[in-house]
Amino acid sequence: EAGVAQSPRYKIIEKRQSVAFWCNPISGHATLYWYQQILGQGPKLLIQFQNNGVVDDSQLPKDRFSAERLKGVDSTLKIQPAKLEDSAVYLCASSLAVSGGRFYNEQFFGPGTRLTVL
Amino acid sequence: AQSVAQPEDQVNVAEGNPLTVKCTYSVSGNPYLFWYVQYPNRGLQFLLKYITGDNLVKGSYGFEAEFNKSQTSFHLKKPSALVSDSALYFCAVSDTGNQFYFGTGTSLTVIP
Repeated sequence: EAGVAQSPRYKIIEKRQSVAFWCNPISGHATLYWYQQILGQGPKLLIQFQNNGVVDDSQLPKDRFSAERLKGVDSTLKIQPAKLEDSAVYLCASSLAVSGGRFYNEQFFGPGTRLTVL
Repeated sequence: AQSVAQPEDQVNVAEGNPLTVKCTYSVSGNPYLFWYVQYPNRGLQFLLKYITGDNLVKGSYGFEAEFNKSQTSFHLKKPSALVSDSALYFCAVSDTGNQFYFGTGTSLTVIP
């Protein structure tokens, strides 16, 4: 079974530039997550999709971050414009959805994209 | 508000000895608890979870964890540590399954 794919693996940009990350979840996984992991910290959930709908984006800085999952499969996370504090690893994860609105299945993580903002 | 604490940034243990990585949580309802492991330059890997039922949960690679409701803890354990267990371990909690909160991680080093 193929895992969660992410690209690019590394990205270096200057502040105020834009950047986009791509994620392809495990086939059949309806739930997709984007996390931000700053060095020395645990992952912080940015946004969660169930198919192509947003379940939770309460911690997404919407003035500069956006994400979409148009066909309920692949997803793109964008930062525009980037700030120095956005330097982090961006993790994508997917999981099976559970009926009844309870999402307690384990998540499968991709390798992440390491973003450096100069 | 939900939160999870991993009080130890670093745990060192000799190979063959038992290991424990600590996790405490705070949720408003019933907790869903998870342990993940992260190897260098790789994504997080699921180890085990507690949803309901038996308080002792067994997971991958010989790891287990015990849910203790009165102490709001979910410590990760292994009877005999291997050098290959050296990695970063994260505890995560949710009370609805929608919003997951991860701890800051514990770096485990198993000394040969």
